[in-house]
Amino acid sequence: QVQLQESGPGLVKPSQTLSLTCTVSGGSISSGSYYWSWIRQPAGKGLEWIGRVYTSGSTNYNPSLKSRVTISVDTSKNQFSLKLSSVTAADTAVYYCARDRGSQGDYFAYWGQGTLVTVSS
Amino acid sequence: DIVMTQSPDSLAVSLGERATINCKSSQSVLYSSSNKNYLAWYQQKPGQPPKLLIYWASTREYGVPDRFSGSGSGTDFTLTISSLQAEDVAVYYCQQYYSTPLTFGGGTKVEIK
Repeated sequence: QVQLQESGPGLVKPSQTLSLTCTVSGGSISSGSYYWSWIRQPAGKGLEWIGRVYTSGSTNYNPSLKSRVTISVDTSKNQFSLKLSSVTAADTAVYYCARDRGSQGDYFAYWGQGTLVTVSS
Repeated sequence: DIVMTQSPDSLAVSLGERATINCKSSQSVLYSSSNKNYLAWYQQKPGQPPKLLIYWASTREYGVPDRFSGSGSGTDFTLTISSLQAEDVAVYYCQQYYSTPLTFGGGTKVEIK
């Protein structure tokens, strides 16, 4: 059973870059054909898909964030990561990493527990 | 982008009664070649990540109680909880995976009346 765990700083200053890592256990990130996604949720609000990286390393980003987002995969560490630049208070949210079910569908079958990132000076 | 609109924003249902949540997409999420609707439903309880309930609009995820069911096609979808239990108190989200950006509905909060 695949498990995902987010990690990274809980506090980021405005204008800086938010960096998070998702560590995958219970299977190799490079096996199978899956999309590994980042999703965020501001307190009391809904879910926003940030983007995803495929097992091969190709990426798709939400156009609303595309200019500021980089998602990459590190197969040697069984991790994938998120970088969001030029953050503001509006980027304060719980950030989740998630995986789909590959050829069986791009819905999110596996989720991390989430990590709260606050943007504040 | 495909906009997902859920209704109502919240609803209160008595224990054992039916709860119905609607989700409408701004364009069809039915892929004609496969005749599948690229629509999923999730349940989120406070402090927890969303949990997958339904995919392909009507396929129940393994381990999800059969009181949860999904229906609909094209642009209009429904999640039904046939007999509400106390543990079903949560926020429910629909999501389309027909095209990127993947998008979610705004959520429907289900409470006990």
